[in-house]
Amino acid sequence: DSGVTQTPKHLITATGQRVTLRCSPRSGDLSVYWYQQSLDQGLQFLIQYYNGEERAKGNILERFSAQQFPDLHSELNLSSLELGDSALYFCASETGTLSNYGYTFGSGTRLTVV
Amino acid sequence: GDSVTQMEGPVTLSEEAFLTINCTYTATGYPSLFWYVQYPGEGLQLLLKATKADDKGSNKGFEATYRKETTSFHLEKGSVQVSDSAVYFCALTPWGSSNTGKLIFGQGTTLQVKP
Repeated sequence: DSGVTQTPKHLITATGQRVTLRCSPRSGDLSVYWYQQSLDQGLQFLIQYYNGEERAKGNILERFSAQQFPDLHSELNLSSLELGDSALYFCASETGTLSNYGYTFGSGTRLTVV
Repeated sequence: GDSVTQMEGPVTLSEEAFLTINCTYTATGYPSLFWYVQYPGEGLQLLLKATKADDKGSNKGFEATYRKETTSFHLEKGSVQVSDSAVYFCALTPWGSSNTGKLIFGQGTTLQVKP
């Protein structure tokens, strides 16, 4: 157990629907990162939050949004889902804002859009 | 923009063979470099890192040296085991990323070690 908890582990939903993925960071970690892993795009950085505020944004679609709550857990909201959104979504956390010491990754949420 | 290129897999080796997985990067300045490993059904785990030129990162028998002159960070292990079978990712944090630790990953290289 890495200490980073992601729920649910698997999610199957239909096109056009909206889903919410949840991430609880490791105790004491203030930064949360979201990544998407797909066969064609590989691992892509989506967004980072630090202590409740957005810190960096990557290749995140406008249909996707995220937030980090006062208890530091984070949610990634995916709406108007398309078949191409099917992927493994990882959350990672770290103490500060720099990855010089490496992240701790969760085990991911596998999203299947049918 | 910054990018990471890894050798294509899969790489298939016999137990106790020598492993090299090539990684080269394109980036300005002095990015921090990482190797992560992903075992089946799990999230990524940090394997080793190097934050400046000529640094050698090492862990669990794996090592990689930050070569600025060749913009490379090749992963090596002298004697692989079946338990090393996994996907290996090379990654970097862009230089000058003063307020974010976002990672740019390579495509990953699958290693299969046969008994």
